[in-house]
Amino acid sequence: NAGVTQTPKFQVLKTGQSMTLQCAQDMNHEYMSWYRQDPGMGLRLIHYSVGAGITDQGEVPNGYNVSRSTTEDFPLRLLSAAPSQTSVYFCASRQQGAATGELFFGEGSRLTVL
Amino acid sequence: AQRVTQPEKLLSVFKGAPVELKCNYSYSGSPELFWYVQYSRQRLQLLLRHISRESIKGFTADLNKGETSFHLKKPFAQEEDSAMYYCALFTGGGNKLTFGTGTQLKVEL
Repeated sequence: NAGVTQTPKFQVLKTGQSMTLQCAQDMNHEYMSWYRQDPGMGLRLIHYSVGAGITDQGEVPNGYNVSRSTTEDFPLRLLSAAPSQTSVYFCASRQQGAATGELFFGEGSRLTVL
Repeated sequence: AQRVTQPEKLLSVFKGAPVELKCNYSYSGSPELFWYVQYSRQRLQLLLRHISRESIKGFTADLNKGETSFHLKKPFAQEEDSAMYYCALFTGGGNKLTFGTGTQLKVEL
């Protein structure tokens, strides 16, 4: 099992450009989520999904779109990148309904917006 | 709303010294708390969960509901413990894992 796979690992964008961060998991997890990690602010939840066709906003959703057409994939879209979106992005998944709440994380995607 | 507070951004200790990483939480329901760790160049991973009351890599954490704390402790720090540690609160009804701001632990020789 590869676990949670994120691509790309690094990306540089210019302000106003759009891009999609890809996330795939092979553990048949219903729950998937996106976090951003910023110095001094920890990890903040952007969007999450509890199953195919269902998405919801987290703590910092503005400027990001998500969709969940399959159980395996949960892409994060930046429609018009801004310098404030420079961050490290983590995708994470878990079994929905799991009592432990343990998340499995990808390796992260470092995004720089100039 | 739930909140997790880790007051120390950086904690530096000598090898063999005791370690305590502080975590306080704010939540009106019954909390489920976790410690996650991120070693250099590795992905974030679960270290401890309060439900299992286990010791992992010599670390323990006890949930104190009276003080709303879940501090992470280890009696003798090792060099390989150097990492970023995040305390996290799971609110199952909200499907959210709320993280603290993290504490960078540096173990010096």
